Amino acid sequence: KAGVTQTPRYLIKTRGQQVTLSCSPISGHRSVSWYQQTPGQGLQFLFEYFSETQRNKGNFPGRFSGRQFSNSRSEMNVSTLELGDSALYLCASSLEVPSGGRTDTQYFGPGTRLTVL
Amino acid sequence: LAKTTQPISMDSYEGQEVNITCSHNNIATNDYITWYQQFPSQGPRFIIQGYKTKVTNEVASLFIPADRKSSTLSLPRVSLSDTAVYYCLVGDMDTGRRALTFGSGTRLQVQP
Repeated sequence: KAGVTQTPRYLIKTRGQQVTLSCSPISGHRSVSWYQQTPGQGLQFLFEYFSETQRNKGNFPGRFSGRQFSNSRSEMNVSTLELGDSALYLCASSLEVPSGGRTDTQYFGPGTRLTVL
Repeated sequence: LAKTTQPISMDSYEGQEVNITCSHNNIATNDYITWYQQFPSQGPRFIIQGYKTKVTNEVASLFIPADRKSSTLSLPRVSLSDTAVYYCLVGDMDTGRRALTFGSGTRLQVQP
């Protein structure tokens, strides 16, 4: 079974521009989460989507947004890019199992390396 | 959200057992403990997950004491390819409530 795929793998933008990153989850997985990883802040949660609805959101400004499509694929968008947005953006998918003591492991993609100049 | 504390780095030699301990004093009742491994320029890879006592799979063991305020990832007989950053993650894994923040991770360097 193919893993989580993210496109593009590398991206260079300039300040003020906007960017859209794409994530295709593992087949059958319905939940997609996004994370930002930087050397200074580590891995930080951005948001989580399930059934085209945002379920959870981390502490990021409104410039960061996302969406999920009916096929579970997800995109995240960052508008008005700042130098501090340079990071590795990771997408993770999970199966969405019922609660009641069971857990839902996340599987990560390789990430998109965004550089803002 | 539960905050985790891990050693910044550890060194080991091939064939040795490595134990990485994570502290999570404010773990909540519903929180699970998950460990991930990350290589440079790759996404984190799931290693093991547990709630209490001991969990073992084909690559690692996870020891969790009764108070659950800490946990220890045990890697038996490490090899050079185990050189990576290891993250302890504590959070409510039930769907609908997940908003996970990783700790700073432990950089493991395995030498020949």
